[in-house]
Amino acid sequence: HSALTQPASVSGSPGQSITISCSGSSSDIGGYNYVSWYQQHPGRAPKLVIFDSSNRPSGVSDRFSGSKSGNTASLTISGLQAEDEADYYCNSYTSSSALVFGGGTKLTVL
Amino acid sequence: QLQLVESGGTVVQPGRPLRLSCEASGFPFSSYGMHWVRQAPGKGLEWVAVIWYDGSSKYYADSVRGRFTISRDNSKNTLYLQMNSVRVEDTAVYYCARVGVRNHWYLDIWGRGTLVSVSS
Repeated sequence: HSALTQPASVSGSPGQSITISCSGSSSDIGGYNYVSWYQQHPGRAPKLVIFDSSNRPSGVSDRFSGSKSGNTASLTISGLQAEDEADYYCNSYTSSSALVFGGGTKLTVL
Repeated sequence: QLQLVESGGTVVQPGRPLRLSCEASGFPFSSYGMHWVRQAPGKGLEWVAVIWYDGSSKYYADSVRGRFTISRDNSKNTLYLQMNSVRVEDTAVYYCARVGVRNHWYLDIWGRGTLVSVSS
């Protein structure tokens, strides 16, 4: 199963909003509501920030939000803060009863 | 405190076997499915395998199917990944992660990872 497609990098200034896209197919993102997003700081383990396309785990800032339309999912971070600078990965369930990750997006806070 | 601790990572020669372990604490391990995810140096995340809470179902990535086996011992609160016929491209940090409360397809608790280096 091919990896999901994310932009390699995005950037924004403190206080701004950014959106990271994640493109897949009808065999993964488009076929199920099982998209999740993970934040990873250098040298650290990934951390769940969105699950089931648009749900936020307890303890995750409400500045993080997720959505899905067709075969594309999106993660939006509003009110950017320096601590948001990290790598972000999308993930989806697939028709093969497996999971597939996106290639990752490096977020730079200018 | 919810915690997952991986162990067993080391330098191993191509073709040799290796077993990774993941010890869970702070939650009812026997009630949750578990995943393995890996990350090659400087690369992105790659899903490896998942096992149901009771071991009744297991699914694998194409890249490891037939070489790796996921298993668990609920009496020991421990998850395993048996890696056979390892290849240079299996070099990575291996994370274990717990499935979410609502379904098996998101990972809500992660360990810190254990490094496997495949080299002759």
